[in-house]
Amino acid sequence: AQSVAQPEDQVNVAEGNPLTVKCTYSVSGNPYLFWYVQYPNRGLQFLLKYITGDNLVKGSYGFEAEFNKSQTSFHLKKPSALVSDSALYFCAVRAPGWVSGGYQKVTFGTGTKLQVIP
Amino acid sequence: GAVVSQHPSWVICKSGTSVKIECRSLDFQATTMFWYRQFPKQSLMLMATSNEGSKATYEQGVEKDKFLINHASLTLSTLTVTSAHPEDSSFYICSARWRRGQYNEQFFGPGTRLTVL
Repeated sequence: AQSVAQPEDQVNVAEGNPLTVKCTYSVSGNPYLFWYVQYPNRGLQFLLKYITGDNLVKGSYGFEAEFNKSQTSFHLKKPSALVSDSALYFCAVRAPGWVSGGYQKVTFGTGTKLQVIP
Repeated sequence: GAVVSQHPSWVICKSGTSVKIECRSLDFQATTMFWYRQFPKQSLMLMATSNEGSKATYEQGVEKDKFLINHASLTLSTLTVTSAHPEDSSFYICSARWRRGQYNEQFFGPGTRLTVL
């Protein structure tokens, strides 16, 4: 079974400092990896994804993530945090290919609350 | 990007009543839609997958008679919470899959906050 771990419930960072939100995964085969952001009482907004190719993926709002196959990690990063980046961040994984029923399930991590301090 | 809408964005109802939540893909056709439930400070839990024109596939532990899902068209799926109770209060999020050739991605709705009194 596939799984995602986000070891930190909350990450605090000062505005202007670099930020990292950690994610590790477990899946059979080559993973499809995603990061989403959720603001209070809102749905999920897509930030970026890794399917294949360059291990460093660039996404929306200046975020990027690095795929590390040996460490089974997909940490989210940003060089300079903004107060407006404060939100809940979810890492997600999906196995390649299809399963019975014709769909692929996406498994989400438990989320990491990012607090950017002015 | 593709847009998914949900209606209503929030609803308050009395215990024992039924509530219907709509999920629409506004600018694409979605053969598959997903319904998630999110408890406070927790992750999204997949409730069921609905395929247009067929019965929904429910995840283990989800009562299909309580959470009725209908996917009548390629742009609309509905979730009806029947005989709602306070423990059904939650944030419900739908997602629609867009497929075009090799491209395959899920887009999420803004969510519906259900409060059962």
